[in-house]
Amino acid sequence: GNSVTQMEGPVTLSEEAFLTINCTYTATGYPSLFWYVQYPGEGLQLLLKATKADDKGSNKGFEATYRKETTSFHLEKGSVQVSDSAVYFCALKGSTDKLIFGTGTRLQVFP
Amino acid sequence: DSGVTQTPKHLITATGQRVTLRCSPRSGDLSVYWYQQSLDQGLQFLIQYYNGEERAKGNILERFSAQQFPDLHSELNLSSLELGDSALYFCASSVGRETEAFFGQGTRLTVV
Repeated sequence: GNSVTQMEGPVTLSEEAFLTINCTYTATGYPSLFWYVQYPGEGLQLLLKATKADDKGSNKGFEATYRKETTSFHLEKGSVQVSDSAVYFCALKGSTDKLIFGTGTRLQVFP
Repeated sequence: DSGVTQTPKHLITATGQRVTLRCSPRSGDLSVYWYQQSLDQGLQFLIQYYNGEERAKGNILERFSAQQFPDLHSELNLSSLELGDSALYFCASSVGRETEAFFGQGTRLTVV
């Protein structure tokens, strides 16, 4: 069945550092891919999405490219801020309409 | 504001009791998903409904049940509650296949 694998956290960075959070997936067909963010004490918010191969999703300085050849959707940001500290979830949604999440990666950014 | 409304926000109850969590999806969304998030754990998929019918089932205990009503709101019923059921319960909704889902703020359940 479909699945999502994320790098384990926590990821600890200094402010203005470059961020990469790896995400790979297993799926039949052509799923849609998503990154969600959960700030402390809050629900999940959609951060960005990509619906087909080579699409790049972007929002708030974050980017991720749908790579079918490597079945990956890595999240990147060029310069992180303390306010980016949160848990990031990679997810996919295939033809079955089931929304499947990775285990989440906690990001901690220090000034 | 995602447009998904969950009530109540907080719930404290005793072991052995039964509670009902409610979710109102975004206007026009036909799919409703329920997830459980325990402390330091990821999101465990419980169950999904589409336009009133069960579409997918995850790791949902037999003590738990859910339904989606004709007006598309959904309820998650948790019975014979145990201490280990203490968690955040999230509802999400989406228009349909391959579209993004939007999450409510969650219901924090504490079983004492």
